Amino acid sequence: QSVLTQPPSVSAAPGQKVTISCSGSNSNIGNNYASWYQHLPGTAPKLLIYDNNKRPSGIPDRFSGSKSGTSATLGITGLQTGDEADYYCATWDSSLSGRVFGGGTKVTVL
Amino acid sequence: QVQLVESGGGVVQPGRSLRVSCAASGFTFNMYGMHWVRQAPGKGLEWVVAISFHGEATYYADSVKGRFTISRDNSKNTLYLQMNSLRAEDTAVYYCAKEITPYTVTRGGFDHWGQGTLVTVSS
Repeated sequence: QSVLTQPPSVSAAPGQKVTISCSGSNSNIGNNYASWYQHLPGTAPKLLIYDNNKRPSGIPDRFSGSKSGTSATLGITGLQTGDEADYYCATWDSSLSGRVFGGGTKVTVL
Repeated sequence: QVQLVESGGGVVQPGRSLRVSCAASGFTFNMYGMHWVRQAPGKGLEWVVAISFHGEATYYADSVKGRFTISRDNSKNTLYLQMNSLRAEDTAVYYCAKEITPYTVTRGGFDHWGQGTLVTVSS
């Protein structure tokens, strides 16, 4: 059971928007930076968002991140079939003195 | 371009040891904290351990504390994970990952990952 809670799955039609929540506590998201990853089976995970809302070079602006209190959110607009993947949030946990990942959210494009 | 190449995975019996390595290139290795992240079959990503850019600070997940040891050789641009007293639940693909922000392991994110090396613990 992860200290970061994500919904198991979300879905939407092509072109629509989805949001994925990541709920934590003051020891992790509340006082540290969140990051988000896309993971396709058999491949290495890809960093989408870091420091709550920054995009690495090459990540389209269809992907956005935000944080409020002890929760972080990933938004994906203009949903494409290629966005079908598992998405994970992560952050540092000051009580555990380590990084923690959420349980992952499977995005399905209907 | 940044490359991280893991090696050393394989099949090992419970209770035995294994060392996996991660050869880094394409960036100034001694400026960045490094991590190992694993994914067990059918499970999500699990952070395992981190090491600071200079190697003087290490951080471990409770699940591996006391059994795993991370180290780095900045002269060889290589990261290591020594795994002792292996258990069936350690079976996973192990990824090495680089921090996007230099000189930290507590913020930012993992901007480059290796292809992963499979460790199977089984009798």
